[in-house]
Amino acid sequence: AQSVTQPDIHITVSEGASLELRCNYSYGATPYLFWYVQSPGQGLQLLLKYFSGDTLVQGIKGFEAEFKRSQSSFNLRKPSVHWSDAAEYFCAVGVNFGNEKLTFGTGTRLTIIP
Amino acid sequence: EPEVTQTPSHQVTQMGQEVILRCVPISNHLYFYWYRQILGQKVEFLVSFYNNEISEKSEIFDDQFSVERPDGSNFTLKIRSTKLEDSAMYFCASKGRYEQYFGPGTRLTVT
Repeated sequence: AQSVTQPDIHITVSEGASLELRCNYSYGATPYLFWYVQSPGQGLQLLLKYFSGDTLVQGIKGFEAEFKRSQSSFNLRKPSVHWSDAAEYFCAVGVNFGNEKLTFGTGTRLTIIP
Repeated sequence: EPEVTQTPSHQVTQMGQEVILRCVPISNHLYFYWYRQILGQKVEFLVSFYNNEISEKSEIFDDQFSVERPDGSNFTLKIRSTKLEDSAMYFCASKGRYEQYFGPGTRLTVT
């Protein structure tokens, strides 16, 4: 069965600093990969997705992620964070295109300091 | 922009009672899902629904749970006899072609 690991439970960065959130997956073939963001009391908003093709994908709010097959990773990056980026970030993997269920990581809570 | 909606936003119920959580998926989507998130834990898949039947369910989705699409717009999750451990945030999601869009969730509190 597929699994997702987000090794960082909580990350604190200064506003304007760069950000990288780590995600590693376990699956025998190429998975479909997603990053979602959850603000307090809110639902899950899709930031970006990878299905195939270019391994560097761009998302909303200035986020990008790079799929590295050799490392089984799909790390999320942003060159300069804003206070509004403070939220919980979830990496997820889907394995059957069409009706895939998503398997989520445990999430990384991002705190922004002035 | 179309979105998934869920009602109620918060439901408090007593142990053993039945609850129905409601979702209105995005209108042209074909795949529907329920997930739950126990406080402080990760989001977990419960069930997927396509073509008016369950296509996959997790081990969490036992006989106490059921889903239904009673009309062309609503998608419901019923818990027949709630337990304390059913307290969680329940998210509905729908998918058109590629990605799943999530609703804002229903917080279920079982007392």
